[in-house]
Amino acid sequence: TQLLEQSPQFLSIQEGENLTVYCNSSSVFSSLQWYRQEPGEGPVLLVTVVTGGEVKKLKRLTFQFGDARKDSSLHITAAQPGDTGLYLCAGVRGTASKLTFGTGTRLQVTL
Amino acid sequence: ETGVTQTPRHLVMGMTNKKSLKCEQHLGHNAMYWYKQSAKKPLELMFVYSLEERVENNSVPSRFSPECPNSSHLFLHLHTLQPEDSALYLCASSQDEPGRGYTFGSGTRLTVV
Repeated sequence: TQLLEQSPQFLSIQEGENLTVYCNSSSVFSSLQWYRQEPGEGPVLLVTVVTGGEVKKLKRLTFQFGDARKDSSLHITAAQPGDTGLYLCAGVRGTASKLTFGTGTRLQVTL
Repeated sequence: ETGVTQTPRHLVMGMTNKKSLKCEQHLGHNAMYWYKQSAKKPLELMFVYSLEERVENNSVPSRFSPECPNSSHLFLHLHTLQPEDSALYLCASSQDEPGRGYTFGSGTRLTVV
């Protein structure tokens, strides 16, 4: 099993703060995805990164894929309460379509 | 209705009961998945169906039995479960191509008493 470790596990911040979530593995992934899961719902896809070093932006969220395609980061600028949720990274190895999910980061943004 | 729909949303069952979870997708996807989500554990892949054929079974106990009658429907039949099987069971679908994102349902919260 190729484990994807996310850090931190839990993060509680105030509205307006910036934060970064990390997703690390010893394995190389052909692509990596980030999902957000709100309480009582399933995960929702935020972004897919494919190329080593790739950076994608989604409003206040910035996603980066490591040069070696073993790690990724998610940076949120000026966090809002609506950003609260469980953030999951998920990687694809080789030509497989099956995703391996990370351990998750639970984010709480308070007023 | 669009997306992935799971029913029921909540289920409480005794250890001797038999129940089924249902998943339906209207996205035209050709792959469907069952995941188990427990507290403090990563999402665990249970079963994968591609083009209605089971292509993966991740050492799941036989008390869980999947069924995929067509590309739009997926079931998880449950019997003689244990309390440790209590979890959120998530269904997802995708196009069976590398790098394609999954669309998840809202899950069934299962409690075994």
